[in-house]
Amino acid sequence: DQQVKQNSPSLSVQEGRISILNCDYTNSMFDYFLWYKKYPAEGPTFLISISSIKDKNEDGRFTVFLNKSAKHLSLHIVPSQPGDSAVYFCAARTGTSGSRLTFGEGTQLTVNP
Amino acid sequence: DTGVSQDPRHKITKRGQNVTFRCDPISEHNRLYWYRQTLGQGPEFLTYFQNEAQLEKSRLLSDRFSAERPKGSFSTLEIQRTEQGDSAMYLCASSLTGSRYNEQFFGPGTRLTVL
Repeated sequence: DQQVKQNSPSLSVQEGRISILNCDYTNSMFDYFLWYKKYPAEGPTFLISISSIKDKNEDGRFTVFLNKSAKHLSLHIVPSQPGDSAVYFCAARTGTSGSRLTFGEGTQLTVNP
Repeated sequence: DTGVSQDPRHKITKRGQNVTFRCDPISEHNRLYWYRQTLGQGPEFLTYFQNEAQLEKSRLLSDRFSAERPKGSFSTLEIQRTEQGDSAMYLCASSLTGSRYNEQFFGPGTRLTVL
């Protein structure tokens, strides 16, 4: 049972444009969502998160939107840079701290110069 | 470097052999997690510790798998009688209870290949 899904295995955008990565979830008990970025041969790196009591969180070029009624979240990167090329994982958890993360399959983002 | 470290980075073994991986978390972090990642998938939770106590284990963690964190610092993950299906990247992460984002910090992983 895949509780967190990222339906796009890959996304290609031009440098300077917006990248939008999508994530859907099925478990209504999830109350905290995170995005991780992963480069080859490295572990995932935390990027940005959002609590279920919010619908938007912004950090520099990165913004995460949460639509609880649709059980959908998205990560916007603007402007996109070639260094953003990586695999992006959406993750979710229940509880307020420290419990297991449930990850999506990942989306490979390629930003072309 | 004060990040999460894992050793070894790569392990090739023959089916039926036992393997052990080590994880050193960020020093002040009290929680430590093990995940497994296979090709084309996201990391899947295996188990986690708070200090030395193992608080949760996934059903993915068969009887052949055992994890320890004896002094609440580093952790080991042992796989007995390895099978080809155990081939994966094994990721360790740590976190600090009560931190601002409660995010987990991941190590680089140990890639296991079972021949």
